[in-house]
Amino acid sequence: GQNIDQPTEMTATEGAIVQINCTYQTSGFNGLFWYQQHAGEAPTFLSYNVLDGLEEKGRFSSFLSRSKGYSYLLLKELQMKDSASYLCAVIGGRDDKIIFGKGTRLHILP
Amino acid sequence: DAMVIQNPRYQVTQFGKPVTLSCSQTLNHNVMYWYQQKSSQAPKLLFHYYDKDFNNEADTPDNFQSRRPNTSFCFLDIRSPGLGDAAMYLCATSSSQDVETQYFGPGTRLLVL
Repeated sequence: GQNIDQPTEMTATEGAIVQINCTYQTSGFNGLFWYQQHAGEAPTFLSYNVLDGLEEKGRFSSFLSRSKGYSYLLLKELQMKDSASYLCAVIGGRDDKIIFGKGTRLHILP
Repeated sequence: DAMVIQNPRYQVTQFGKPVTLSCSQTLNHNVMYWYQQKSSQAPKLLFHYYDKDFNNEADTPDNFQSRRPNTSFCFLDIRSPGLGDAAMYLCATSSSQDVETQYFGPGTRLLVL
């Protein structure tokens, strides 16, 4: 079967750093995405990892370990506008489909 | 600049009354997707087009149909909406050269009365 797990909710403080973890089990793997989704809006692309290691893009970084089936999204210098859901998604399975996790709702406190 | 456009943003329909949601794109992408997302759940792929080739997910109900008359437009038809079909419907596109990166439209929120 195919499964993506991430925490349902997290809370962090403005200016701080937060790490959102994602673990996955899929029958194949061709990459992992992180998307940001504000309430009532469509997901927007944040990052794509296909090789092990850390990809840094401004305040956001994403890490992948294929052997552990594990990824995290690291958000630095948190801003109030970062309050959103963060979706982990994997390309995998027999048909190379994108499979989404349920998302982690991140609350930022002033 | 709008790239993936969905109309309307909000749609209200009655139980059993057919409804059509539309998606258009200015990216000239050859792959288009329709997802259903219910509250606090992951987006669920309903079907996708690779050019004119239609690919239906095995668990997509027959109630859901799609049309793609040209590269730019794609429609989602719900023949007899039930209360359980109330959800956000997301259209996304990707290019065959970079099929992994999907660009999402703003979504249409469907309410079934």
